[in-house]
Amino acid sequence: EAAVTQSPRNKVAVTGGKVTLSCNQTNNHNNMYWYRQDTGHGLRLIHYSYGAGSTEKGDIPDGYKASRPSQENFSLILELATPSQTSVYFCASGDSGYAEQFFGPGTRLTVL
Amino acid sequence: GQQVQQSPASLVLQEGENAELQCNFSTSLNSMQWFYQRPGGSLVSLFYNPSGTKHSGRLTSTTVIKERRSSLHISSSQTTDSGTYLCALEQGYQNFYFGKGTSLTVIP
Repeated sequence: EAAVTQSPRNKVAVTGGKVTLSCNQTNNHNNMYWYRQDTGHGLRLIHYSYGAGSTEKGDIPDGYKASRPSQENFSLILELATPSQTSVYFCASGDSGYAEQFFGPGTRLTVL
Repeated sequence: GQQVQQSPASLVLQEGENAELQCNFSTSLNSMQWFYQRPGGSLVSLFYNPSGTKHSGRLTSTTVIKERRSSLHISSSQTTDSGTYLCALEQGYQNFYFGKGTSLTVIP
């Protein structure tokens, strides 16, 4: 049974619209992460969280917000989506401290 | 600058051949993780190896901190090994840097 799940798996949005990507983990991990993967750039960290109620900026946070309402759930929010945010988004979870990460299946987002 | 360099960028093997994938980093590290990714797929963790050597079936990971490198060795390659192999460096707490990957194709 998958421990990190994401929804939706595919999403088409319009420029200027609001998009929310959701992630759920059953690993009981404190840390959760949002990445985007683009050809030529690899995986880049957008936001992360140490636990419920906390969110921190990663390397490329501009244009994104994050929300961690509970241990299990971590959302990525695009308030005003732009075509440059077309990408594949991955959520991951990990224990506190220096620890292995476990990834979800990814969400393919297209902004037209 | 580029924190993590992976080489080679791509590799084609005949089934049964061995492969050595490299990950070099320009800074100190706290942890190193290797992943496998199929086209259009998610990342599957292969090794979490901050230092030393670890084995899993036909795979071996070796991280040498003082030389700032980590390697992934695949022995007796199979067509199902085809895909992209990524390494990720955790430099500081929660500062993860990924390489751009090695694309491996194993032909029968």
